[in-house]
Amino acid sequence: NAGVTQTPKFQVLKTGQSMTLQCAQDMNHEYMSWYRQDPGMGLRLIHYSVGAGITDQGEVPNGYNVSRSTTEDFPLRLLSAAPSQTSVYFCASSSTGVWSNQPQHFGDGTRLSIL
Amino acid sequence: EDQVTQSPEALRLQEGESSSLNCSYTVSGLRGLFWYRQDPGKGPEFLFTLYSAGEEKEKERLKATLTKKESFLHITAPKPEDSATYLCAVQARETGGSYIPTFGRGTSLIVHP
Repeated sequence: NAGVTQTPKFQVLKTGQSMTLQCAQDMNHEYMSWYRQDPGMGLRLIHYSVGAGITDQGEVPNGYNVSRSTTEDFPLRLLSAAPSQTSVYFCASSSTGVWSNQPQHFGDGTRLSIL
Repeated sequence: EDQVTQSPEALRLQEGESSSLNCSYTVSGLRGLFWYRQDPGKGPEFLFTLYSAGEEKEKERLKATLTKKESFLHITAPKPEDSATYLCAVQARETGGSYIPTFGRGTSLIVHP
């Protein structure tokens, strides 16, 4: 059971480039989310999805887009990368049910540097 | 605004030296408090969920407790393999029908042999 898989593990971009961070889960979880983790700060929610075709903004959505065409996949897109988006990005999923009662399962992250 | 504060930021222990990590929160309508463990270069790994004041959960050398204002993660006779960053998250705020968790900044624990 792979759980939550994120690719790539590392990426370096130049300012203004675009890219997509991939996230896939094999647990049939309805709820998926993207976080960024910066030194000295807690995990901050970027976007989340409560099911295929449904997405919503978290705390820090600016500069990021998401879509959810299948239950398994939840890609995060940076349309025009900025140095402020240098961070470690984590994807997470949780099982069907009340969001607030279910723990999240995290991937191992994508370490993104923007020059 | 919901706040989650973890203390201390960093903790160094000798193997076998028991201690506690603190997570204090100011939220209205707590729905759940989660503890996660995060190893370097890895994503957070779920440890415990606590739902109401007075609740306790245990797993090996770890015990989590919850009051109306804070949670403690007690580590009894820690071993070097317990070294990690421990994250606390609170689920309370409802936005558009879903809940957005608030994470603390974590406590970095190092256990020396």
